[in-house]
Amino acid sequence: EVQLVESGGGLVQPGGSLRLSCAVSGFTFSSYWMHWVRQAPGKGLVWVSRINSDGSSTSYADSVKGRFTISRDNAKNTLYLQMNSLRAEDTAVYYCARDLGVPVAKNWFDPWGQGTLVTVSS
Amino acid sequence: EILLTQSPATLSLSPGERATLSCRASQSVSSYLAWYQQKPGQAPRLLIYDASNRATGIPARFSGRGSGTDFTLTISSLEPEDFAVYYCQQRNNWPLTFGGGTKVEIK
Repeated sequence: EVQLVESGGGLVQPGGSLRLSCAVSGFTFSSYWMHWVRQAPGKGLVWVSRINSDGSSTSYADSVKGRFTISRDNAKNTLYLQMNSLRAEDTAVYYCARDLGVPVAKNWFDPWGQGTLVTVSS
Repeated sequence: EILLTQSPATLSLSPGERATLSCRASQSVSSYLAWYQQKPGQAPRLLIYDASNRATGIPARFSGRGSGTDFTLTISSLEPEDFAVYYCQQRNNWPLTFGGGTKVEIK
């Protein structure tokens, strides 16, 4: 069974940092592109970042570029999102998602993890 | 950035009825559009990709059509578990963007 389990969310002050993790199982992690998508409370979905299968290529939404870093450890089957200089508007549930395509990315998200809540507040 | 506008915002229907959801793009996305379902407290689930291809395990009552700027998700006969929020998403241009969602609620 394919599983994606996020962790690392919590309450952080504005300007602070947090690192999210997404542990995966049930598929060959090193073959897939991966994404982070977020959802502010009561709002819609916003794509945040993606990384290719070996970690050599990354992309970011303009709203997080220069503050967030996506990475992966294929030996540990884990995806990461390092979030620095956090702002109130970064408050959201953060989902990791596998890309539908392999080995070429299709930029469709399937499946998704259950999400982890990040709250940025003083 | 491509803006995706979903309509209606809310659709009130009864089980067994047909649901038709719309997604309009601010510019052509070719056939590069997907639909997701999200139930309260759950992660989204991919239903349709490339405008009309059902994802693995998705029932045949879900169908998608369209190209260019106008797309439709149809649920032929609503089951109780289909009442949820539905989002469209495009991958034709960066950044990847989602629509604002359509809530399908029980009438």
